[in-house]
Amino acid sequence: GAVVSQHPSWVICKSGTSVKIECRSLDFQATTMFWYRQFPKQSLMLMATSNEGSKATYEQGVEKDKFLINHASLTLSTLTVTSAHPEDSSFYICSASGGKYEQYFGPGTRLTVT
Amino acid sequence: GDSVTQMEGPVTLSEEAFLTINCTYTATGYPSLFWYVQYPGEGLQLLLKATKADDKGSNKGFEATYRKETTSFHLEKGSVQVSDSAVYFCALRPDSGGYQKVTFGTGTKLQVIP
Repeated sequence: GAVVSQHPSWVICKSGTSVKIECRSLDFQATTMFWYRQFPKQSLMLMATSNEGSKATYEQGVEKDKFLINHASLTLSTLTVTSAHPEDSSFYICSASGGKYEQYFGPGTRLTVT
Repeated sequence: GDSVTQMEGPVTLSEEAFLTINCTYTATGYPSLFWYVQYPGEGLQLLLKATKADDKGSNKGFEATYRKETTSFHLEKGSVQVSDSAVYFCALRPDSGGYQKVTFGTGTKLQVIP
């Protein structure tokens, strides 16, 4: 149980375009979802926390107008990278939490901006 | 603030060797402690956890004991296999309940050679 999926697993986009990444909890209701960013050979950096039906809470230094997060249902959260630039290229990982405070991680999405 | 310090890698071991990856933390109270594993190109998987002092988490031959007196949670395995090659992250979550932010260490890459 407790499976989290992400789509797409890999995406390439041109500079200036927007790209949307989906995170789904497949077999449980996720009241809270988290979005992380991982740079090569580095740890995970929490970008934002979202609760279903509420606005996301962004970590300090994360541009909320650039990284749009929507958590419209108990099984789906989306991260939209707007006006992407090459420096946004990274590995984005989501996690989801149900009622037991445990976080279950998705497989990640590799974004490459050309 | 909370922090997690891991030994720097990469760690290279021969198959069947003994593994120790050191992890120490800084936090108030009694945080929950975790080890996550990330295989190449994949997201994080929870390997084991401990939620109170002197607890021992174990899974797939890996063990870690929550040592409050030394604020440590070192990961050990008696005999590593090539399939254990991955990046290992130590992490903590505060003890104040709710969906608290998880703090990750920088990760330690393990390479096991036949």
